[in-house]
Amino acid sequence: GAGVSQTPSNKVTEKGKYVELRCDPISGHTALYWYRQSLGQGPEFLIYFQGTGAADDSGLPNDRFFAVRPEGSVSTLKIQRTERGDSAVYLCASTPGGRLGGELFFGEGSRLTVL
Amino acid sequence: QKEVEQDPGPLSVPEGAIVSLNCTYSNSAFQYFMWYRQYSRKGPELLMYTYSSGNKEDGRFTAQVDKSSKYISLFIRDSQPSDSATYLCATETQGAQKLVFGQGTRLTINP
Repeated sequence: GAGVSQTPSNKVTEKGKYVELRCDPISGHTALYWYRQSLGQGPEFLIYFQGTGAADDSGLPNDRFFAVRPEGSVSTLKIQRTERGDSAVYLCASTPGGRLGGELFFGEGSRLTVL
Repeated sequence: QKEVEQDPGPLSVPEGAIVSLNCTYSNSAFQYFMWYRQYSRKGPELLMYTYSSGNKEDGRFTAQVDKSSKYISLFIRDSQPSDSATYLCATETQGAQKLVFGQGTRLTINP
């Protein structure tokens, strides 16, 4: 499809395990964002990539969270030593480039459950 | 206290009613104001976008921003069952490249 693709759609893991979540943005979109949405809450910003570099990672909650985008397209969000509080929907979004306000195109999210 | 406050509802109204959804915010530097609609188990999708204060109308939807009172509103006229979703207000400062969302209001339109 032409939209933002996220895999896996659902991930159940045990406390302490390592998890990778993948985002495939819309073709040609240079900007990529990760947000986290806890149950009953709005999305919260995690990190923003422009091309291959993380332009703003101020939303990452701690050093267990890391994200990469090595070739400026697909991005992977990595969570080490998962905790039950990490359970949430992780949303990825992309845009054509730098924007002044304007639309983020979101994927359907990866639902992470940490037991 | 959150930068953007939104009543989570739930809000349930009959089909055809006028719906009013609201948010307040605390940061006077916010310049861009958006409403996203999110269906169950889907990603948010942009519904309305406004820069600074004023009104914007698109079909049955009207967005209002009052920067003097830091108040954001979305009105839905002639509401339809297909409008049933969670509505998220969002704001952003110029150049920040990160949206600040409200909690979302869960809306149900009853046939």
